[in-house]
Amino acid sequence: KQEVTQIPAALSVPEGENLVLNCSFTDSAIYNLQWFRQDPGKGLTSLLLIQSSQREQTSGRLNASLDKSSGRSTLYIAASQPGDSATYLCAVRRNQFYFGTGTSLTVIP
Amino acid sequence: SQTIHQWPATLVQPVGSPLSLECTVEGTSNPNLYWYRQAAGRGLQLLFYSVGIGQISSEVPQNLSASRPQDRQFILSSKKLLLSDSGFYLCAWSQGQGGYEQYFGPGTRLTVT
Repeated sequence: KQEVTQIPAALSVPEGENLVLNCSFTDSAIYNLQWFRQDPGKGLTSLLLIQSSQREQTSGRLNASLDKSSGRSTLYIAASQPGDSATYLCAVRRNQFYFGTGTSLTVIP
Repeated sequence: SQTIHQWPATLVQPVGSPLSLECTVEGTSNPNLYWYRQAAGRGLQLLFYSVGIGQISSEVPQNLSASRPQDRQFILSSKKLLLSDSGFYLCAWSQGQGGYEQYFGPGTRLTVT
């Protein structure tokens, strides 16, 4: 069964720093990988979707990479802002979606 | 554009009472629909998914059930709630199989007392 791990579980950085969140998965036979953001008490907001044939996707200050062969993805956030504070989850899809437990990010003003 | 709705937003129910949570999707047809539960401090657990009307697959044996009476309507039910059913319930949809993106509703916070 596919297992998805996210490290670190929590991260606190000062405003303006660049940061990297990590996601690893055990089965490389995936259709895609998706990064989400979740604010407290809210649903998940899709940030980036990377198809299995792609290496990276960019949206604004966010850049996600995918190395399917090694079972890893990273989410790079440039010039972090307090509004980026949230929990970030990654999910991989084969027949179903498999989620990591998330990284809780706090950006300190 | 597509929109996904869930209600109610919050619910407090006593142990042993019934449950009905509803999810509807607008702006698409024949979506794949999903119910997830997110317990405090834990990841998302897939409960049910549906690829069409009346087609329900269960991922976790439990006292919950799901139904899809219409193409864009997905209902999560229970006849008798347990304390362990407390959590944050999320409905999601994606367009078919393969490499499609998944979109989530706002969620329902259920507290069983």
